Amino acid sequence: KQEVTQIPAALSVPEGENLVLNCSFTDSAIYNLQWFRQDPGKGLTSLLLIQSSQREQTSGRLNASLDKSSGRSTLYIAASQPGDSATYLCAVREGGSEKLVFGKGTKLTVNP
Amino acid sequence: GAGVSQTPSNKVTEKGKYVELRCDPISGHTALYWYRQSLGQGPEFLIYFQGTGAADDSGLPNDRFFAVRPEGSVSTLKIQRTERGDSAVYLCASRLNRDTEAFFGQGTRLTVV
Repeated sequence: KQEVTQIPAALSVPEGENLVLNCSFTDSAIYNLQWFRQDPGKGLTSLLLIQSSQREQTSGRLNASLDKSSGRSTLYIAASQPGDSATYLCAVREGGSEKLVFGKGTKLTVNP
Repeated sequence: GAGVSQTPSNKVTEKGKYVELRCDPISGHTALYWYRQSLGQGPEFLIYFQGTGAADDSGLPNDRFFAVRPEGSVSTLKIQRTERGDSAVYLCASRLNRDTEAFFGQGTRLTVV
């Protein structure tokens, strides 16, 4: 059974800092991996999608990497801003399945 | 529409009652999902539709839960004889094809009292 773990569970940083959020998964036979952002009381906003054949994806200040063989992905946020404060969720879709399996998320607080 | 739309945004119901939650996916998206999210947890898969048919309903917790998508667009999640443990945020998502992103709605917060 696929399990997704996100470390740390919570992170507090000063504005302007570069930071890395970690995601690990137990079964490397994934189809793709997606990073989401969730603001309190809101739904999920898609940030980046990485196919299993890709190593990384970039969007603005965000960069996500994927090492499928070791079961890891990282989300790098450059020059963090208070508006980046949210919970960040990682989800994997296994090959042969349509389900997304989520981690519990990392709650990020960026202090002005 | 521009995004996935879910109604109502909040629903309070008494234990034992029947509820329906609605999802309007992004126009043209053939794949539709329902997830459930409890406080402090990641979303958990409930059911997946490809077109009108439920291709995978393995996440439905029991036979009180049922979902339909009769015309391949709007979907309704139906919960019979609600229990307090059903309280959660119910999220809907849609996807254009298997290589594209899943887009989520804002969710319906269900509270069973």
